[in-house]
Amino acid sequence: DAGVIQSPRHEVTEMGQEVTLRCKPISGHNSLFWYRQTMMRGLELLIYFNNNVPIDDSGMPEDRFSAKMPNASFSTLKIQPSEPRDSAVYFCASSVGEGYTFGSGTRLTVV
Amino acid sequence: SQQGEEDPQALSIQEGENATMNCSYKTSINNLQWYRQNSGRGLVHLILIRSNEREKHSGRLRVTLDTSKKSSSLLITASRAADTASYFCATSGVSTDKLIFGTGTRLQVFP
Repeated sequence: DAGVIQSPRHEVTEMGQEVTLRCKPISGHNSLFWYRQTMMRGLELLIYFNNNVPIDDSGMPEDRFSAKMPNASFSTLKIQPSEPRDSAVYFCASSVGEGYTFGSGTRLTVV
Repeated sequence: SQQGEEDPQALSIQEGENATMNCSYKTSINNLQWYRQNSGRGLVHLILIRSNEREKHSGRLRVTLDTSKKSSSLLITASRAADTASYFCATSGVSTDKLIFGTGTRLQVFP
C-alpha cells in the first residue's frame, strides 16, 4: 500500500488565488481528516469525513475554506481566495478504527 | 483549541539515555495516542492506550495513563540518534472519532 497520498508536496501561490489540495486515503479506510500545522498554532483539525460524509467542520477557519469527498478514494481542500496567513503545512490522514495514517503533507506558501 | 499540552517543549539527551515526555489533557477521553514526526514529514502512529488501561509497552516505548490526573507519559528507553523527532500526544473523545493533538515535545538525541 502506498499510504496516504497528498498532492502537491509544495505550493507557492499569490494572495487572492485559489488553491486546491488533494488527498488519496488508504483503500478501505472509512475516515478522512484534514489538519493544518503551523509553528504558532500547532496541529489543528480542520474537518473530518466518515464514509465520505462531513461529520465535523468546526475547525474550518473561514468560509474561504471548503472541503469535499466525492468518493472513498479522493478528497480536496480548497482555499478561495488565499491569504498569506493561510501559509502552513496541510496534512491529510485516514483511518479505520483507531490510529491514523498521515500523508506527507502539502507545504503551502501564500505570498 | 488544542486538547493536550506537553512537557517539556524540548529535550536533549545522549544516546543510551532514557527520554520521558509528559502530556496533560482537559476532558474525558476514549483513548490517548502518541505520534512521532520527523522534520518535514507526516506523523507516524506509535502507540495507543485506552482509557481503561494504565500502562502499555511496545518495544522500547512505555506509555502510562492516569485518567484521574488527565495525564500520560511516554518513555523511550535506550534512546538512539534515530529517535530524534517531535513527539505528540493526541486524544480521542468519548463520542467522536476525531483526534486532538498536543503541542509536542522536540527530542534531540546526540550520538
